Amino acid sequence: AQSVTQPDIHITVSEGASLELRCNYSYGATPYLFWYVQSPGQGLQLLLKYFSGDTLVQGIKGFEAEFKRSQSSFNLRKPSVHWSDAAEYFCAVGHSNFNKFYFGSGTKLNVKP
Amino acid sequence: DVKVTQSSRYLVKRTGEKVFLECVQDMDHENMFWYRQDPGLGLRLIYFSYDVKMKEKGDIPEGYSVSREKKERFSLILESASTNQTSMYLCASSLSANQLGQYFGPGTRLTVT
Repeated sequence: AQSVTQPDIHITVSEGASLELRCNYSYGATPYLFWYVQSPGQGLQLLLKYFSGDTLVQGIKGFEAEFKRSQSSFNLRKPSVHWSDAAEYFCAVGHSNFNKFYFGSGTKLNVKP
Repeated sequence: DVKVTQSSRYLVKRTGEKVFLECVQDMDHENMFWYRQDPGLGLRLIYFSYDVKMKEKGDIPEGYSVSREKKERFSLILESASTNQTSMYLCASSLSANQLGQYFGPGTRLTVT
């Protein structure tokens, strides 16, 4: 069965520090991989996606993620965090063979001044 | 840009009422989804639809039904609202092949008293 694991429920980083949010998936073939961000009281916004090609993908707001097949991971990174990045981040898996998407439980990011 | 709109941002209903949540997307997406989001439980799929008049149950369909009479509109129906259906409801849409990910509406915060 497909599953997505985000092992960190909460993360706190200082403004200007680098960030890495972890995501591991379980799926038999190469999936489509996504990161979403959700600000309080809002819907989810797509940050970036991977479905083929270069394993390092760039997204909006200065985020990037790297697909590592050998580790079944798709970690989200940002070199320098801004206070406005405080939000909840969700990793998700999809595929063309099935209509559902599978979401991780989310990681809440807190940014210290 | 894809736009997914939901009929209400906030809704308060009484126990036993019939509740309709409406979702409209403007990008001709084949797939549409309804999730509920609760603290600590992440996103849980209620129903999804891959075509007009087609629907499939998600992980938590009990107490809900859906309707998709037109491609752009997907409605979630709570036949008899209960307090345990108090939640944030998120609608999303995607292309049939899924490789571009889902696009979410802003959410409806439903309170059942």
